[in-house]
Amino acid sequence: QSALTQPPSASGSPGQSVTISCTATSSDVGGYNYVSWYQQHPGKAPKVMIYEVNKRPSGVPDRFSGSKSGNTASLTVSGLQAEDEADYYCSSYAGSNNLVFGGGTKLTVL
Amino acid sequence: EVQLLESGGGLVQPGGSLRLSCAASGFTFSSYAMNWVRQAPGKGLEWVSGIRGSGDSTNYADSVKGRFTISRDNSKNTLYLQMNSLRAEDTAVYYCAKDFRNFPRAIDYWGQGTLVTVSS
Repeated sequence: QSALTQPPSASGSPGQSVTISCTATSSDVGGYNYVSWYQQHPGKAPKVMIYEVNKRPSGVPDRFSGSKSGNTASLTVSGLQAEDEADYYCSSYAGSNNLVFGGGTKLTVL
Repeated sequence: EVQLLESGGGLVQPGGSLRLSCAASGFTFSSYAMNWVRQAPGKGLEWVSGIRGSGDSTNYADSVKGRFTISRDNSKNTLYLQMNSLRAEDTAVYYCAKDFRNFPRAIDYWGQGTLVTVSS
């Protein structure tokens, strides 16, 4: 099965913007508009922040946005806040009713 | 409010079996696909298996194919994962996760997870 590649870490100062990338090894991301992003704080269950590339569930701040270009999806967090410090995972539909996750990115707010 | 409550985790010896359950509430269970996702200690998320809302279609990650079986009882709003021939590398927190749609596409709600430890 294919994989999604994320940078292991990212960082930014409060108020700044940071973008986390998610690159597919094949056409998993590029071929479907089912890219999601999840935030996970230590010891907690993941929480969906973005689904279907750029849709935000109710209750998620509009500081979080998603996009996709070719086989690379991106999550941008604007106006960084201390509570944004967490692990972030991308996920994509990979065809044949299979899902795939990226390896995760640890976001540090400096 | 969507609630997913996993149970059945614990310590099992290599080669053993375990069945996880997930009691769902707060939504029309049969209308949505369900998934199991696991997270090994200190590692990332790994999709394990998914099942359509009707239960007539199931899919598995290569790492568990032939050993794990996902099923659901829509009359009881309950999801299951039967795990056989367990290995040390199956040690993880197992999350029950609801899909946005009737077939596996993306997860919108997660349970709190249940820990499975495979060790002698």
